[in-house]
Amino acid sequence: TQLLEQSPQFLSIQEGENLTVYCNSSSVFSSLQWYRQEPGEGPVLLVTVVTGGEVKKLKRLTFQFGDARKDSSLHITAAQPGDTGLYLCAGADNAGNMLTFGGGTRLMVKP
Amino acid sequence: DARVTQTPRDKVTEMGQEVTMRCQPILGHNTVFWYRQTMMQGLELLAYFRNRAPLDDSGMPKDRFSAEMPDATLATLKIQPSEPRDSAVYFCASAVLTRDTQYFGPGTRLTVL
Repeated sequence: TQLLEQSPQFLSIQEGENLTVYCNSSSVFSSLQWYRQEPGEGPVLLVTVVTGGEVKKLKRLTFQFGDARKDSSLHITAAQPGDTGLYLCAGADNAGNMLTFGGGTRLMVKP
Repeated sequence: DARVTQTPRDKVTEMGQEVTMRCQPILGHNTVFWYRQTMMQGLELLAYFRNRAPLDDSGMPKDRFSAEMPDATLATLKIQPSEPRDSAVYFCASAVLTRDTQYFGPGTRLTVL
């Protein structure tokens, strides 16, 4: 089983601040996905990164896949209360097998 | 707007009772997953199916949990007998392939007293 470590586990910040959360593994992934889960709901896909070094932007969110495809980061600029939620990364191994989920980063953005 | 549905949304039961949770995957998705989520353990994979056949249920306590797909539109997760430590939110998700985007249902919040 490939393990994905996410950090930090918890993050509480004020509206307007920037933040970065990390997803790390010792294994190589063929692709990596980021999900956001809001209270009372299931996780929802934000983005999929496939190529080492790839950077994708989704409004104020910037996702990066490490060159070696073992890690990823999510940077949020000018966080808003609507960004509050649990952020999960999930990776698929090189054999194309199923996703392994990280433990998540629980983000709270205070107004 | 295709989505995964789960019933019930909330279930409170007493220890020893049988609990059945149901999931309707997105039409055309061949892979169905069952997860359990708690604050302590995060999102844990319990079992998954491809084309209705169970591929991996190593995450499930075999003595009390069972998962089935009677047909392509219904997946069930049963706990018998239930215990307080089973209290969690149970999610069903479906995907076209195991490595693809997983579409999650809203979850069933189970409380075993």
